[in-house]
Amino acid sequence: DAKTTQPTSMDCAEGRAANLPCNHSTISGNEYVYWYRQIHSQGPQYIIHGLKNNETNEMASLIITEDRKSSTLILPHATLRDTAVYYCIVRVGSSNYKLTFGKGTLLTVNP
Amino acid sequence: EAGVAQSPRYKIIEKRQSVAFWCNPISGHATLYWYQQILGQGPKLLIQFQNNGVVDDSQLPKDRFSAERLKGVDSTLKIQPAKLEDSAVYLCASSSSGFKGGNEQYFGPGTRLTVT
Repeated sequence: DAKTTQPTSMDCAEGRAANLPCNHSTISGNEYVYWYRQIHSQGPQYIIHGLKNNETNEMASLIITEDRKSSTLILPHATLRDTAVYYCIVRVGSSNYKLTFGKGTLLTVNP
Repeated sequence: EAGVAQSPRYKIIEKRQSVAFWCNPISGHATLYWYQQILGQGPKLLIQFQNNGVVDDSQLPKDRFSAERLKGVDSTLKIQPAKLEDSAVYLCASSSSGFKGGNEQYFGPGTRLTVT
């Protein structure tokens, strides 16, 4: 599975959009981009995934560049409860579904 | 829908003792995972089951760690004997079977193990 690069930490004001970047320059054509988050003392939580097209669900939007070498997770109106470590993961969708977590980005939403 | 259940939530043992963790996945989920998360790091996959068969145990320290999933439902992870470096949160996750991208994993709350 391709490796990802994320900033160690980011800050965001409550109510503003949080944009979390992820680089995955070695991504293969059959690898999906997944985002999970982990709130303190909880297990990771699935947020969203995509292959080529931009995706949106009730939690977030995922923007994938045309060359697929990077992506951005957007939380449109961040709240204090969105403070968490956000993991960007790429993996082959039809493989054994293993998730390889990096260190992620600690997003702190400030009042 | 009930989530992934794990017990105990916390465990403190001395080195060289043994410990066991239990996981009950979401009903109907064929795939079950055990992860180890050391403080400050992302979770690392230890073992993956598909029904009651092992799919991937390449990162499981087999000299001290063992896991089983009898009847393809509940699973136990055992450490014997424990070392100081085994102090971590042990996470269980499950996912439904499928052969295309999008099989998200659902995680339990984890068991925090402290080895003294």
